[in-house]
Amino acid sequence: EVQLVESGGGLVQPGGSLRLSCAASGFTFSNYWMNWVRQAPGKGLVWVSRINSDGRTTTYADSVRGRFTISRDNAKNTLYLQMNSLRDEDTAVYYCAKTSHSGDYWYFDLWGRGTLVTVSS
Amino acid sequence: DIQMTQSPSSLSASVGDTVTITCRASQSINRYLNWYQQKPGKAPELLIYAASSLQSGFPSRFSGSGSGTDFTLTISSLQPEDFVTYYCQQSYSIPRTFGQGTKVEIK
Repeated sequence: EVQLVESGGGLVQPGGSLRLSCAASGFTFSNYWMNWVRQAPGKGLVWVSRINSDGRTTTYADSVRGRFTISRDNAKNTLYLQMNSLRDEDTAVYYCAKTSHSGDYWYFDLWGRGTLVTVSS
Repeated sequence: DIQMTQSPSSLSASVGDTVTITCRASQSINRYLNWYQQKPGKAPELLIYAASSLQSGFPSRFSGSGSGTDFTLTISSLQPEDFVTYYCQQSYSIPRTFGQGTKVEIK
């Protein structure tokens, strides 16, 4: 079955750290760019970060640059998000999402079910 | 960053109605526009890509159009399972940005 399964969320104090994982199955993980997208409770979707297929190129939203690190292990078919210096406003469900394209048109065609990160004292 | 503005933020309709959701980009994005459907408590699902291409698995009552800065998602003959939230997203530049969402509610 083609799927993405996130894990690693939980309750953390402001200033703390957390590492999220996203296990991929059913497709050739190493061929695809991958992303993290988050959604605060009751709010909309916000793109967080992306990584290219071999892990050498990464991009971040301004709100997390310098605090979050995206990485991947293609041998384990797993995507990661290391989150440091967490703030209250980082509280959200974090989704991993696979990027696909049709010609020049890129889109997120597979999403995980998400993992909830709550930053609170 | 490119801002994406959806309207309305919510709408009420009845089963069988036709509804249109609008998405406007703060600058031209050609046809680099995607639509996602999100059911409560679930992950988003790709609905339409490249402004008008319907993703496999979705019925033909969903259609998208537009280019440049103005785009529309039309749902014809609303079915009970369509009363959920829809997001547009641009893939023209980084950071990828989403509209704020449109919740379609049962009247």
